Amino acid sequence: EAGVTQFPSHSVIEKGQTVTLRCDPISGHDNLYWYRRVMGKEIKFLLHFVKESKQDESGMPNNRFLAERTGGTYSTLKVQPAELEDSGVYFCASSLGFKETQYFGPGTRLLVL
Amino acid sequence: GQQVMQIPQYQHVQEGEDFTTYCNSSTTLSNIQWYKQRPGGHPVFLIQLVKSGEVKKQKRLTFQFGEAKKNSSLHITATQTTDVGTYFCARNQAGTALIFGKGTTLSVSS
Repeated sequence: EAGVTQFPSHSVIEKGQTVTLRCDPISGHDNLYWYRRVMGKEIKFLLHFVKESKQDESGMPNNRFLAERTGGTYSTLKVQPAELEDSGVYFCASSLGFKETQYFGPGTRLLVL
Repeated sequence: GQQVMQIPQYQHVQEGEDFTTYCNSSTTLSNIQWYKQRPGGHPVFLIQLVKSGEVKKQKRLTFQFGEAKKNSSLHITATQTTDVGTYFCARNQAGTALIFGKGTTLSVSS
């Protein structure tokens, strides 16, 4: 069974540009989560989808971040315009059911210059 | 959500020595989860503890959940170079989001 996949693995962009990250959850997992780890800090929750609906987006830092999960399969996280403090590793995770084990993807390493 | 405090932030040991990381909360936890992230990798689920005073073992790893369900520990016996990485504890917030501690980064020299 394929795990959670994320694309791209790395992205280097300039301040003010737009970047879109993609996450493909494990097949059949209705729950999809986005997390971010900024250098030297803890992994922080961004938001949670159940199928195509946003269950909890309390961790989204500001309106420069837009997450979608059209059709309830893969998800995208767009940062527009990117700022220096957005640099970090963005992880996606999925789980089969509510409160079940979350499986993490390899992450996208974003560097904003 | 209430943060979970994790100590130490870094630990270096000689191969064969033991290692322990501690996780503390000011509020009672419904459960505590432990993850391991290898350098350059992603968090991998290790275990979940739910019951007060629970102790679980995975080979050389021993996980404990405190009687008051406010603290937890992960102990590795006789560390190996394959144990290097960052160990995170995490709690569930409202059953969905994981709230992570800052992690303990373990390095092992042979």
